[in-house]
Amino acid sequence: DAKTTQPNSMESNEEEPVHLPCNHSTISGTDYIHWYRQLPSQGPEYVIHGLTSNVNNRMASLAIAEDRKSSTLILHRATLRDAAVYYCIDEKLTFGTGTRLTIIP
Amino acid sequence: EAGVAQSPRYKIIEKRQSVAFWCNPISGHATLYWYQQILGQGPKLLIQFQNNGVVDDSQLPKDRFSAERLKGVDSTLKIQPAKLEDSAVYLCASSPYWDSQGSYEQYFGPGTRLTVT
Repeated sequence: DAKTTQPNSMESNEEEPVHLPCNHSTISGTDYIHWYRQLPSQGPEYVIHGLTSNVNNRMASLAIAEDRKSSTLILHRATLRDAAVYYCIDEKLTFGTGTRLTIIP
Repeated sequence: EAGVAQSPRYKIIEKRQSVAFWCNPISGHATLYWYQQILGQGPKLLIQFQNNGVVDDSQLPKDRFSAERLKGVDSTLKIQPAKLEDSAVYLCASSPYWDSQGSYEQYFGPGTRLTVT
């Protein structure tokens, strides 16, 4: 089964870029990588997803390694509202424990 | 556009009692998911519906959990009888469609927090 691994926690200063890594070495070549985030006491929120090439939307950018074994979620300018648990998931919808992102004012 | 609606938001029951949760997905969304999220963990998929058919229920404890999605719109998840370890947040999500590659995005409801005493 495909599986993703992420660091348990990360910290970043406000207004600086944040790079959140994810390893998904067992993902198949045709399956998408998704990123969601979850604020306290809320359901997860979709952030971005992609297959092979880099993707951008209003919330973030997703950089996918050429071999597709890893990807990086990029928040270009972190705000306090970006403090959340970020999940990288595959098509099997296995969330794992995610990365808790703390933003330092 | 209205989001995914869930009720109740909170429920406290005693072990061995039964409980039901309701979910109304975003209008027009064919796919509906139920997740269980235990404190400190990520969500775990319990069951996935495509319209009113089950796509995946491999992680649903079928001896006590059941779910249905009549008419391919709203859905109910039931636990009977409840155990202490069922204490969790139950999340419902929907997506416009589903394919095996995962080329879709999910929209989550606020969840129902269940406490079993």
